Amino acid sequence: TQLLEQSPQFLSIQEGENLTVYCNSSSVFSSLQWYRQEPGEGPVLLVTVVTGGEVKKLKRLTFQFGDARKDSSLHITAAQPGDTGLYLCAANPNDYKLSFGAGTTVTVRA
Amino acid sequence: DVKVTQSSRYLVKRTGEKVFLECVQDMDHENMFWYRQDPGLGLRLIYFSYDVKMKEKGDIPEGYSVSREKKERFSLILESASTNQTSMYLCASCRDSNSPLHFGNGTRLTVT
Repeated sequence: TQLLEQSPQFLSIQEGENLTVYCNSSSVFSSLQWYRQEPGEGPVLLVTVVTGGEVKKLKRLTFQFGDARKDSSLHITAAQPGDTGLYLCAANPNDYKLSFGAGTTVTVRA
Repeated sequence: DVKVTQSSRYLVKRTGEKVFLECVQDMDHENMFWYRQDPGLGLRLIYFSYDVKMKEKGDIPEGYSVSREKKERFSLILESASTNQTSMYLCASCRDSNSPLHFGNGTRLTVT
């Protein structure tokens, strides 16, 4: 079993639609990170959320950290083909060992 | 910008061969990591290092070893490659435990 469960595993939508990706755990984290990975490249950090209930916005992307700091969501408004990629959540339950979810593959069709 | 460079994008090796995957970072980061990425499993930590000549096992160290002789370089070694080690290997570094990871572009290893 993975420490972080992401859903859905795959998401295919039309350009202009909205989407939400979820990251859930039974563990409490001091912070949680979201990364995006494009084909042929390594993951790149999008945001770090730290405070329970925190909401962070990055252009059309909205990230929320659950009140209990066990879960997080990523919402994309009016998705564009450039948003296509693998979205990964990650958290550090202890020391340096960052754990990753299995990821959500998002495909935005033009 | 932090740059993490992995020496090979693609490698094809035969079962039983010894394989070296090299990773270099240019930002004087203390911590370096090796992950493997497989569909549906996400990134799984193989080994990490928080200082020169120091190494710690991650979640799936079996069949692998590492070397960190210099701060900027972290090598992953497959002593005797097997077909179940066919995967994408990602190297990463970070300054400290509160900092984000900076990844290389990965090495896709195929063991035949």
